[in-house]
Parts: sequence; structure tokens; C-alpha cells
Amino acid sequence: EAQVTQNPRYLITVTGKKLTVTCSQNMNHEYMSWYRQDPGLGLRQIYYSMNVEVTDKGDVPEGYKVSRKEKRNFPLILESPSPNQTSLYFCATKERARTEAFFGQGTRLTVV
Amino acid sequence: QKEVEQNSGPLSVPEGAIASLNCTYSDRGSQSFFWYRQYSGKSPELIMFIYSNGDKEDGRFTAQLNKASQYVSLLIRDSQPSDSATYLCAVVDDSGYSTLTFGKGTMLLVSP
Repeated sequence: EAQVTQNPRYLITVTGKKLTVTCSQNMNHEYMSWYRQDPGLGLRQIYYSMNVEVTDKGDVPEGYKVSRKEKRNFPLILESPSPNQTSLYFCATKERARTEAFFGQGTRLTVV
Repeated sequence: QKEVEQNSGPLSVPEGAIASLNCTYSDRGSQSFFWYRQYSGKSPELIMFIYSNGDKEDGRFTAQLNKASQYVSLLIRDSQPSDSATYLCAVVDDSGYSTLTFGKGTMLLVSP
């Protein structure tokens, strides 16, 4: 079954404690992205990757890091989380540049 | 800044009626257009995609695209209570990565 798997699904953490949200896909897609979704602001792209070792900033990259060492994995790293990073996060993959995106189940992050 | 605009709603329709959801976009270079459905707290799921001017039908759903007017719409015929959700319009530009930009979504409420 084609899947985009995010972990954890829910996370409550404290300000400043480094965390990683993992994303793994089994569809052999080259394109992967991270989005955050906030009420009234919609889905906003954080980072994206076109291939292994190729990443670039999206619309809201501040406070986040990513890496793409393998095709299937695209982790999102928050080195020093702050309360304004409390949000619902989605990982997404695309087969080709102009095709649809497939989303993971989402990670609800709360930073206190 | 590329923009995708949708009325936030809610759009309320009775069961069995036609729901009409609209979207405008700012980037004339946009190439691909998608409609996603999102239930509260869940990940977006693809309903329709359309690449060419005109209409595209799939079951109860019809997507309409007018590139000259920079307008894309989604019609849902015979609306069901299970169609109650937020509908996201998404547009892909013609850049190298072909970023997927989302509107903020229209909430649809279908009453029995």
C-alpha cells in the first residue's frame, strides 16, 4: 500500500527542547515537502526537496531544518522549538513536478 | 507572492443540492490545478485535478478551469452530509520545483 508515514502523530514538548518529526514514503517519489497548517492561515510550505541532498526553503522556513539523505525519508528538525511553532504539520510527496501531492497523516505539535 | 483565493464560507447547502466552490489564482504561469477535501484534523485528500481549460467530470464532481480568467471551480452534485468538509484549491506554478500553493479553503456544510 502506497503510504506517507509521519511520526509522531501527537507531540507536546517544552520550549527549546530539540525535536525531530520523521516522514517516510514508499512510493519512490522524488519530491517531498513539509507544510504547517494554522487556523486562518491555511497550508504553508516550510521546506521542500527535489531529490536526495537537494533541499530549499519554502514560505516559512525560519526555525526549521530538513535533510534528505535517502530518497524515502525527509525529517523535519526543530532545533529550539518555540510556542509559535505550535501547529499541525504535514509531510507530502509528489511523483513529478506538476502532479498531485500525497499527504501523511499529520503531526500535531504543541510547544509550551 | 503567488496567491490562491477562496471564500472561507461556510457554504451551506441542503442534501441533494449542488454545491459550487470557487477559487481564483494570481500566477498566470500556473500549470496544474487540484481540489482537495480535508476533514477536521485529518490530512488533505485529492478529489480532482485539471490541467486544461474546460470541464472535467468524475462521478458527482466536476472541475472547471478558465485560465484566461484565472478561475477554477468545483461542483458537487447530489451533495451528501458526508461531503461536509473544508475544500482546498491548490495550484502548481511553472518553476523548477513547481511549488504547490494552497488556498485557505472553503468550509462546506451539507444539511440532511
